Amino acid sequence: GENVEQHPSTLSVQEGDSAVIKCTYSDSASNYFPWYKQELGKRPQLIIDIRSNVGEKKDQRIAVTLNKTAKHFSLHITETQPEDSAVYFCAASRGTGGSYIPTFGRGTSLIVHP
Amino acid sequence: GAVVSQHPSWVICKSGTSVKIECRSLDFQATTMFWYRQFPKQSLMLMATSNEGSKATYEQGVEKDKFLINHASLTLSTLTVTSAHPEDSSFYICSAKGGGNQPQHFGDGTRLSIL
Repeated sequence: GENVEQHPSTLSVQEGDSAVIKCTYSDSASNYFPWYKQELGKRPQLIIDIRSNVGEKKDQRIAVTLNKTAKHFSLHITETQPEDSAVYFCAASRGTGGSYIPTFGRGTSLIVHP
Repeated sequence: GAVVSQHPSWVICKSGTSVKIECRSLDFQATTMFWYRQFPKQSLMLMATSNEGSKATYEQGVEKDKFLINHASLTLSTLTVTSAHPEDSSFYICSAKGGGNQPQHFGDGTRLSIL
């Protein structure tokens, strides 16, 4: 099955700095890669996603890059703010509809110091 | 946007009790629903996947007779923890996904505490 590795487990930055979280996956058939943000005690919320036919996607301060050959994808947050502090999960999956089963990384706890 | 409602948000009960958790997709049809368990400061552990009208597919190590899943309609799935014990205490989160390339959306989670 799919195996997703996520690094680092903890990331501490100063407000205004950039933050990068990296994930690798093992199944070359995976074609959908979402990123979720989970604040303490709350639901994971989809913040950005990318499909295998795209190499990069950006949404304001958040961007995701995908390298299919190397089987890794990364989340980039620029101009970090204290409210970005949360746990971020990457996931990889293949298929759609009933065959869609995502595998999550272990999560990265991002701490943004004001 | 897509909304998934999960109830109850918090349950405290005695050992041996059965607990039912509901997961509803409020504004879309969820062809697939997922149930996760999350321990403090850890990742989401997939317990089972269910498609409407079909039996749930359980992940290895998850007891299907312990964690009963019913996906009776395109908007409702339930997880029943039968004869719960303290080791079942955890944060349980459901998610729902529409057909095709739709992403999955999570419920708010249920914090289950068994005394």
